[in-house]
Amino acid sequence: RKEVEQDPGPFNVPEGATVAFNCTYSNSASQSFFWYRQDCRKEPKLLMSVYSSGNEDGRFTAQLNRASQYISLLIRDSKLSDSATYLCVVIPSYNFNKFYFGSGTKLNVKP
Amino acid sequence: SQTIHQWPATLVQPVGSPLSLECTVEGTSNPNLYWYRQAAGRGLQLLFYSVGIGQISSEVPQNLSASRPQDRQFILSSKKLLLSDSGFYLCAWRGQGASNQPQHFGDGTRLSIL
Repeated sequence: RKEVEQDPGPFNVPEGATVAFNCTYSNSASQSFFWYRQDCRKEPKLLMSVYSSGNEDGRFTAQLNRASQYISLLIRDSKLSDSATYLCVVIPSYNFNKFYFGSGTKLNVKP
Repeated sequence: SQTIHQWPATLVQPVGSPLSLECTVEGTSNPNLYWYRQAAGRGLQLLFYSVGIGQISSEVPQNLSASRPQDRQFILSSKKLLLSDSGFYLCAWRGQGASNQPQHFGDGTRLSIL
């Protein structure tokens, strides 16, 4: 079983829509969580950390559900520039250097 | 502020040739350093990481090796490239300490093996 699993998509949404992605993880001892954004043929860039109580950064909201072992990313009022692949990352408590990346969920925002 | 430099941006190499990719970090000291490979349409695979000079942890058996000759320099090498070594190679750094520090990536090297 993979450490981290994501729906590859693509999610095709119109501008202004709200879209949500989930990411499940298998290790219940996972310690830290992040969302990254990766544009086509570019390096991943940190979008936001995911905190236990949930956190928001502008149009982006991240949530953690430890009981069900998933994290989520909600994007409100989608912009064309939000089109990218979104990677979730899980770090286990036993090794802070092992970042487990999901394969990513592709988002296409259409005019 | 911290920056990470990775070169070259693209590389085309014949099978059996050697490889050397270099990554340097500026603006921080004693970073944790990482090499990843991303195959087309796939997720990131951790290849090596280093928590200090001369300290290398290998994650998967393969045709590659890594070295850290200086605090902020991380090198990925191969003596003889295979077709399966093609991919997008990414270097990343992270500060020492708490687990909630994210990794930050260089621009990547796109390696094609012919």
